[in-house]
Amino acid sequence: AQSVTQLGSHVSVSEGALVLLRCNYSSSVPPYLFWYVQYPNQGLQLLLKYTSAATLVKGINGFEAEFKKSETSFHLTKPSAHMSDAAEYFCAVSFDSGGYNKLIFGAGTRLAVHP
Amino acid sequence: DTAVSQTPKYLVTQMGNDKSIKCEQNLGHDTMYWYKQDSKKFLKIMFSYNNKELIINETVPNRFSPKSPDKAHLNLHINSLELGDSAVYFCASSLGRGQNHEQYFGPGTRLTVT
Repeated sequence: AQSVTQLGSHVSVSEGALVLLRCNYSSSVPPYLFWYVQYPNQGLQLLLKYTSAATLVKGINGFEAEFKKSETSFHLTKPSAHMSDAAEYFCAVSFDSGGYNKLIFGAGTRLAVHP
Repeated sequence: DTAVSQTPKYLVTQMGNDKSIKCEQNLGHDTMYWYKQDSKKFLKIMFSYNNKELIINETVPNRFSPKSPDKAHLNLHINSLELGDSAVYFCASSLGRGQNHEQYFGPGTRLTVT
């Protein structure tokens, strides 16, 4: 069965520092993976997705993620954090449910950015 | 030109009441979803419709009844509300049934049951 584990429910970085949010997945078939961001009191916005075309995926707002099959990981990174990056980040794996797409989400990682 | 919209944004009601949440998408998608986000931010799918047909129905109490009058709308009706129903409910839509299709989320409806 597919599942997603996000290591670290809270991550705090300084403005300008590297952001690394960890995501490990469990899937019996090649996965489709997604990162979403949720700003306070808002819905989820897609940051990027992996669909097997390329292992390094670039997303919006300077974020990127690398798919590593050997490590079953899809960690999210950004070279330099900005105050506006403070939000909740969710990793998700797409699961085939009778031929339809069902997203299984990780528990989320809250990113705090301090001056 | 909101892609996925939900009404209302906030809903405060008492236990035992019946309430509805409406969702509309103008993306031309044919698949829509309801998710529940609990107080710990955990997101779980509840239902999915494809072209007005129910295709995913997770283990949700039958007090929850989704309805899709057309492929652009998916409403959620909740009967006999309980304290544990307090959560944020998100509607989402996607283009078709493929696993590579990302889902677009609405702004959420925060339901508080007192």
